[in-house]
Amino acid sequence: QKEVEQNSGPLSVPEGAIASLNCTYSDRGSQSFFWYRQYSGKSPELIMSIYSNGDKEDGRFTAQLNKASQYVSLLIRDSQPSDSATYLCAVNMRNSGGSNYKLTFGKGTLLTVNP
Amino acid sequence: SAVISQKPSRDICQRGTSLTIQCQVDSQVTMMFWYRQQPGQSLTLIATANQGSEATYESGFVIDKFPISRPNLTFSTLTVSNMSPEDSSIYLCSVERTSSNEQFFGPGTRLTVL
Repeated sequence: QKEVEQNSGPLSVPEGAIASLNCTYSDRGSQSFFWYRQYSGKSPELIMSIYSNGDKEDGRFTAQLNKASQYVSLLIRDSQPSDSATYLCAVNMRNSGGSNYKLTFGKGTLLTVNP
Repeated sequence: SAVISQKPSRDICQRGTSLTIQCQVDSQVTMMFWYRQQPGQSLTLIATANQGSEATYESGFVIDKFPISRPNLTFSTLTVSNMSPEDSSIYLCSVERTSSNEQFFGPGTRLTVL
């Protein structure tokens, strides 16, 4: 069973702090990794994509990938109340037959940023 | 990213009926996907809809229950057939940017079955 694991939270941080969200995945052959933000009652919104080991920065967001450890994380600097949402980790993983890839989602981490 | 719309945005249906959900994209895309998100849960892939071929269904989902059409490169439909309360969920379509494998989601259809 191909899996993506996230801490369900909730994760609560004060405004201005760094929020750290973590994700592990089971398929060592995965090559594409994504973070989505989902506000309550809305559809997921892609905020970060990462494909190579190391860090990728975009504004206040930094994605970190370690393929050897099968670990991907998202850091949100200077957290704002508007960052309060569920963050979904998604990994392009091989299906059970190994012939195709499909996007597999973790269960999400609920982040609350307190003013 | 592509602009994706879905119709209807929400519906309340009776047990045993069927509902067809439409997904429209403002540009041509090769890969379209249908997901289900049950209350408080993450996203589960129902099927991949490719233009000109049969949809590919994931384990646990069958064509008789979730028939899909993909008549062209900008449009797809998902039908939820013979509905039961367990089908109450949000149904989402997505499209893939081929060069990056990034997927972008439509606004979703919130379905309640009584």
